[in-house]
Amino acid sequence: LAKTTQPISMDSYEGQEVNITCSHNNIATNDYITWYQQFPSQGPRFIIQGYKTKVTNEVASLFIPADRKSSTLSLPRVSLSDTAVYYCLGVQTGANNLFFGTGTRLTVIP
Amino acid sequence: GAGVSQSPRYKVAKRGQDVALRCDPISGHVSLFWYQQALGQGPEFLTYFQNEAQLDKSGLPSDRFFAERPEGSVSTLKIQRTQQEDSAVYLCASSLDLGQPEQYFGPGTRLTVT
Repeated sequence: LAKTTQPISMDSYEGQEVNITCSHNNIATNDYITWYQQFPSQGPRFIIQGYKTKVTNEVASLFIPADRKSSTLSLPRVSLSDTAVYYCLGVQTGANNLFFGTGTRLTVIP
Repeated sequence: GAGVSQSPRYKVAKRGQDVALRCDPISGHVSLFWYQQALGQGPEFLTYFQNEAQLDKSGLPSDRFFAERPEGSVSTLKIQRTQQEDSAVYLCASSLDLGQPEQYFGPGTRLTVT
């Protein structure tokens, strides 16, 4: 089980690109890096998952260097509605339960 | 389509009462999960089902917690003799099958034990 470390909180102005870095020094070869987003009074929502290099979807990009000891979630041009808690998880292939940490509380400022 | 729904959304119980929390997963989803989320913390795994079979209940904090999914769809999490430390948001999630990275979460039930 990969232990992940990420900043407790971040602030950003609207329209800026936000990068949230996650450290996972003991990640195993069969672990994927997975990010979830949680708005107040809602359950978490899957954002993106990757193994190596770069993955991009309509919501975010995920950068994972070759050594896989860290990863960066990139949110382009954030808006106020992106204010949420973002969780970085190491998910073992075929695993059935998710281990969330405390996440990063992102606050977008007008 | 409809997502995961949970009821009630809010529950206040006096210490010692029993409570039952309901989860309606996405239709056709084989796997169903329960998590507990304390204030300011991330969700913590409680238990999961594949269809009606409860395959892992290692996260249930005590024998006062019991979950069932008798027909492989709707699930109920029951807490007997509630204690103040049981106050939390209880989240239900479902996925197409076991081992899928994407779990779909409901809005949760906020339980307050007074």
